[in-house]
Amino acid sequence: DGGITQSPKYLFRKEGQNVTLSCEQNLNHDAMYWYRQDPGQGLRLIYYSQIVNDFQKGDIAEGYSVSREKKESFPLTVTSAQKNPTAFYLCASRTWDRDPYEQYFGPGTRLTVT
Amino acid sequence: AQSVSQHNHHVILSEAASLELGCNYSYGGTVNLFWYVQYPGQHLQLLLKYFSGDPLVKGIKGFEAEFIKSKFSFNLRKPSVQWSDTAEYFCAVNAALDTDKLIFGTGTRLQVFP
Repeated sequence: DGGITQSPKYLFRKEGQNVTLSCEQNLNHDAMYWYRQDPGQGLRLIYYSQIVNDFQKGDIAEGYSVSREKKESFPLTVTSAQKNPTAFYLCASRTWDRDPYEQYFGPGTRLTVT
Repeated sequence: AQSVSQHNHHVILSEAASLELGCNYSYGGTVNLFWYVQYPGQHLQLLLKYFSGDPLVKGIKGFEAEFIKSKFSFNLRKPSVQWSDTAEYFCAVNAALDTDKLIFGTGTRLQVFP
């Protein structure tokens, strides 16, 4: 089955440590996205990538970094500079071909930093 | 800047009751409109979408939404809810000229009791 995989489902880190969240898709989608979901705030865009080796900042990119070395992978690093990293992180992707507007979401990773 | 407002934060209904969830957006140009649903423990998934044409759009599981351009609204409706509709519902908007920036509302938590 095609889809988006995010691992792990739950992640715990100590303050001051960088942590990388995985996002893999086998949908052959061109664009990939990272969102952060906080209670009562909906989803906010962190970074997105339209093609390999290119990515753009979203609305809340400070304290995060990404890479897009392969079409199917878009890992997100939460750095120690992110002031409030505890959140639910969602990865999404979409294609330009069939339905250019719909974003497909992964199951998410819940990050807790103490 | 675009924004999306969902005024109902938490809605509690009995089965067979009718549902209407409000969504208003602020943006002066052409927009694409979406409703996403997040069932407990599941991925965020698309319920329905509007790009152009008939302002009344039908989605999965008996949901529909009406785009009223003059009111900048895209309210979600279902004539008779079921217990299985218990979920969080998100309205989202993107500008037709910048479809990577999907702006989400804060979400509405719907609880349906048998």
